[in-house]
Amino acid sequence: DGGITQSPKYLFRKEGQNVTLSCEQNLNHDAMYWYRQDPGQGLRLIYYSQIVNDFQKGDIAEGYSVSREKKESFPLTVTSAQKNPTAFYLCASSKDRAKTEAFFGQGTRLTVV
Amino acid sequence: GNSVTQMEGPVTLSEEAFLTINCTYTATGYPSLFWYVQYPGEGLQLLLKATKADDKGSNKGFEATYRKETTSFHLEKGSVQVSDSAVYFCALSVPSGGSYIPTFGRGTSLIVHP
Repeated sequence: DGGITQSPKYLFRKEGQNVTLSCEQNLNHDAMYWYRQDPGQGLRLIYYSQIVNDFQKGDIAEGYSVSREKKESFPLTVTSAQKNPTAFYLCASSKDRAKTEAFFGQGTRLTVV
Repeated sequence: GNSVTQMEGPVTLSEEAFLTINCTYTATGYPSLFWYVQYPGEGLQLLLKATKADDKGSNKGFEATYRKETTSFHLEKGSVQVSDSAVYFCALSVPSGGSYIPTFGRGTSLIVHP
């Protein structure tokens, strides 16, 4: 079955450490996105990528980094520069065309301990 | 810029009650409109969509009509069930700088009691 897979589902990080969240899709979608979800704030865009080897900052990119070396993969690194990293992170993909929807992974809940 | 405004929750209803969740949008251009649903601890799933004015999207008893004159896309269901308890997100997609980045509202929590 085609879909988008995030791993791990739960992640714990000590303060000062970098951590990488995985996102893989087999839908042959061109565009991929990372969103952060906090209670009462909806989804905020961190980074997006329309094509391999290219990506753009979203609204809250500070303290995060991404790469897009393969069409299928769009990992997100939460660096130690991110002041408040505890959140639910959602990866999505789409055909990046008119009238098309986004497909989401199951999310990764990151907790700083 | 593009934005979506949803009514704040939580919305609390008894089973078989009528549901309305309001959604209005601001967009440059002609957006496609979506409703997504999120169950606890999961990602978002597409519930329904409409891509042009006066279109009605529908799925699982939920409906929403694209109203260009009022820039609205309200979600309705005639008789809710306990299993409909979830968070509902209104979203739009419109070309911006060559990309169709989805823009989401803040979400509305629905709680349905037996």
